[in-house]
Amino acid sequence: NAGVTQTPKFQVLKTGQSMTLQCAQDMNHEYMSWYRQDPGMGLRLIHYSVGAGITDQGEVPNGYNVSRSTTEDFPLRLLSAAPSQTSVYFCASSYSAQILSYEQYFGPGTRLTVT
Amino acid sequence: RKEVEQDPGPFNVPEGATVAFNCTYSNSASQSFFWYRQDCRKEPKLLMSVYSSGNEDGRFTAQLNRASQYISLLIRDSKLSDSATYLCVVTRYNFNKFYFGSGTKLNVKP
Repeated sequence: NAGVTQTPKFQVLKTGQSMTLQCAQDMNHEYMSWYRQDPGMGLRLIHYSVGAGITDQGEVPNGYNVSRSTTEDFPLRLLSAAPSQTSVYFCASSYSAQILSYEQYFGPGTRLTVT
Repeated sequence: RKEVEQDPGPFNVPEGATVAFNCTYSNSASQSFFWYRQDCRKEPKLLMSVYSSGNEDGRFTAQLNRASQYISLLIRDSKLSDSATYLCVVTRYNFNKFYFGSGTKLNVKP
């Protein structure tokens, strides 16, 4: 049982490049989400999903796309990278999308630098 | 106004000390409450959920005050290994989101 996995762990992009951050969970969790964490700002929600085929925007969605074609996978796409997207990205999952009383499990994070 | 607010600290305490953090939330319809711990350059992990009646887990005690809209975390007999950032997390009825505070940093010194 691997929990939540993220790849890559580190990435350097040039401005304007695109890429996909991968996230997968093997716990059959309904709810999945992407956060970015910047110094002094805590975790900010980018996008989330309450089940396969259903996604919605969080607090800071601009410049990012997501899809959820399966329960297990929730990739985050950066469309045209900008230096402001330099951050640490965490993917998380939770058992139920209906009752958010269950804990979230986080992946180990992806450290992204955009030059 | 932010959904969840925390004092960023740092709180610098000696080993063995008792330390308490508070976290305030802005929406009275908040549903569930959690404390997460995040070590430097690591992912957040659940420390404990916070129940209406308060709850304790070893040296850690969490309290909820709905009237004043805050939750607290008390750590007794601090250990060096307690050094971390503590994140307050809140959810709301009918909103499919976890709201995170920006965290309170704790440094426990020998």
